[in-house]
Amino acid sequence: AQSVTQPDARVTVSEGASLQLRCKYSYFGTPYLFWYVQYPRQGLQLLLKYYPGDPVVQGVNGFEAEFSKSNSSFHLRKASVHWSDWAVYFCAVSMDSNYQLIWGSGTKLIIKP
Amino acid sequence: DAGVTQTPRHEVAEKGQTIILKCEPVSGHNDLFWYRQTKIQGLELLSYFRSKSLMEDGGAFKDRFKAEMLNSSFSTLKIQPTEPKDSAVYLCASRDWGGAETLYFGSGTRLTVL
Repeated sequence: AQSVTQPDARVTVSEGASLQLRCKYSYFGTPYLFWYVQYPRQGLQLLLKYYPGDPVVQGVNGFEAEFSKSNSSFHLRKASVHWSDWAVYFCAVSMDSNYQLIWGSGTKLIIKP
Repeated sequence: DAGVTQTPRHEVAEKGQTIILKCEPVSGHNDLFWYRQTKIQGLELLSYFRSKSLMEDGGAFKDRFKAEMLNSSFSTLKIQPTEPKDSAVYLCASRDWGGAETLYFGSGTRLTVL
C-alpha cells in the first residue's frame, strides 16, 4: 500500500545547529515528493518539491531535501536552524496520474535557545 | 494574487447543530480539497473537487459531512448534525491541476463542538 512515514513525531534542536527530518515513502512508479511546513495557527505552505531529475532540491529559507530511490527516502535538511523554524513539517507524495497526496503524520520541530 | 480564504476562523457549536464552513480557492485553480486535521489522525481527506465536480467524498465522512462547490470560486463544507468528535481544524486547499502542482492552503477553521 502507498504510504509516507515520518518516524519522528518530535525533534528538538539547538538554535544554530544542523537539522535532518526523516521521510520514507512507499509508492509505485516515480513519485513527486513535497515538504510542507505549518507554523502555529496557520495552514500548510510549501517548503520544496521534487520532480524527477536532480535528487537534491533547494527550498525556501535554506532548506533542502535529497531524494533517494534506493532508500525510498526524502529527508529534509538545514545547515543552521533559527528559532523561526519552530513548526510542524509534513512530507507528502503524489503522482501526476492520481489526484491524491499521501501525507506523513508530521514532525514537530522545537528549537532550544 | 489572493491565497485561499477560509471563514470563519473559529466556530463554536452545540452538539446537534448544523454548521457551514466556507472556502474561496486561489483564482483559476481547478482542484479543491477539504481536509480535517487533528493531533491523533493528522490530515484526513474529506472531499476533492476537480473543475467543480466532486471526485472524492472521503468515505468515512459521508454521512454527516457534505461539501459543495457552487462555482469555481466558492466552496462550502456542511456538517450536520455536529458531534463533539468533530472538534478539529478544517483546512481548505487548492491547486492548479494535477499531482505535481503545489497545494495552497487556507489558514483553517477551528471548530469546537460542545
